[in-house]
Amino acid sequence: DAGITQSPRHKVTETGTPVTLRCHQTENHRYMYWYRQDPGHGLRLIHYSYGVKDTDKGEVSDGYSVSRSKTEDFLLTLESATSSQTSVYFCAISEASGTQPQHFGDGTRLSIL
Amino acid sequence: KQEVTQIPAALSVPEGENLVLNCSFTDSAIYNLQWFRQDPGKGLTSLLLIQSSQREQTSGRLNASLDKSSGRSTLYIAASQPGDSATYLCAVDNAGNNRKLIWGLGTSLAVNP
Repeated sequence: DAGITQSPRHKVTETGTPVTLRCHQTENHRYMYWYRQDPGHGLRLIHYSYGVKDTDKGEVSDGYSVSRSKTEDFLLTLESATSSQTSVYFCAISEASGTQPQHFGDGTRLSIL
Repeated sequence: KQEVTQIPAALSVPEGENLVLNCSFTDSAIYNLQWFRQDPGKGLTSLLLIQSSQREQTSGRLNASLDKSSGRSTLYIAASQPGDSATYLCAVDNAGNNRKLIWGLGTSLAVNP
């Protein structure tokens, strides 16, 4: 299994609070991705990174920010959590873009009350 | 706009059967098509990636085919086992960079002993 660790695995918080999810990889892969998975919507890309300090928006980036200060860590921040951001969040990594598949972490289940 | 559909949404078969999972897409201008498996409470595991120039890929008991002109891919599982029970997702890469993967909603497979 690819070395990807997501933390925390589960979190319950209240509307309006800031939340940070962490993705840590030991594979030294260049590309990292944050997805959310919701029933009826499938997987949707939030943000991705193509190198240290290099990030870009995905399909559903509103309300989310990311940072990547080291190759191994990719942080996803919800500045002021809303109930619509209740979801399962997955981090993925890939060595190359487009020719290699992504490897996924086990996800973070986030509930915002 | 690319749309990916997986039918059926759920499938239940007895152990030992050969089975086919379907994935259809509306825009044939793809770079690759990827099949993943997801176990409950877990992340996604890449099974097969078919480049647009390829017709099929094989890995063990799995065989994935791609027909771009008809907008279809099939995942064939030979001699199914209870351990194959999972949700199978396909994703289409329109941009060749993993940044715009369009995901199907998956087929939930149950293989009964």
